[in-house]
Amino acid sequence: AQKVTQAQTEISVVEKEDVTLDCVYETRDTTYYLFWYKQPPSGELVFLIRRNSFDEQNEISGRYSWNFQKSTSSFNFTITASQVVDSAVYFCALSERIQGGKLIFGQGTELSVKP
Amino acid sequence: GAGVSQSPSNKVTEKGKDVELRCDPISGHTALYWYRQSLGQGLEFLIYFQGNSAPDKSGLPSDRFSAERTGGSVSTLTIQRTQQEDSAVYLCASSSMGADTQYFGPGTRLTVL
Repeated sequence: AQKVTQAQTEISVVEKEDVTLDCVYETRDTTYYLFWYKQPPSGELVFLIRRNSFDEQNEISGRYSWNFQKSTSSFNFTITASQVVDSAVYFCALSERIQGGKLIFGQGTELSVKP
Repeated sequence: GAGVSQSPSNKVTEKGKDVELRCDPISGHTALYWYRQSLGQGLEFLIYFQGNSAPDKSGLPSDRFSAERTGGSVSTLTIQRTQQEDSAVYLCASSSMGADTQYFGPGTRLTVL
């Protein structure tokens, strides 16, 4: 069965601190995709990144970076030098090719960045 | 270009009434998904349309829920005889094809009194 676990329900940091959001997944499919979405207070889900199961290269985009490790079934997200505008709920999600792409979401991590 | 749009943005209804929620996907996207976000259940998949294939209805919570997609574009999610537990934000997403990146609309907040 497929499952996504985000063990951290809430994280609070002070601006400029680095923060890592954890994501662990379970799947039996060999071809799958992992995603991170951001949900700011406005409510709309904003796409951040998509990785496929065959590409374990870490990715960096500005202050954001992602660490994908198949050996530990983890896809962690790090924000460097956090800013108040990073405050949001972040969701990790999994889709399996065999399931046609429907997303299985983690419970989300609410990040609060204080000035 | 235009993103996914949903209407209405808010809907308040009385228990037992039927409601229709509309989703306009990104132009050219063949895959369309409905999800529900509630406090107790998080984000959960409801139904998935891909081109002309039969929809994947495996996430619909009861037979009071149905959805259709006309002309491969606009989709309508219908909830019959609404119950208070149906109160949630209903999100629509589209992608260029199945398993591709899904882009979400702003959602419809449904409140059942």
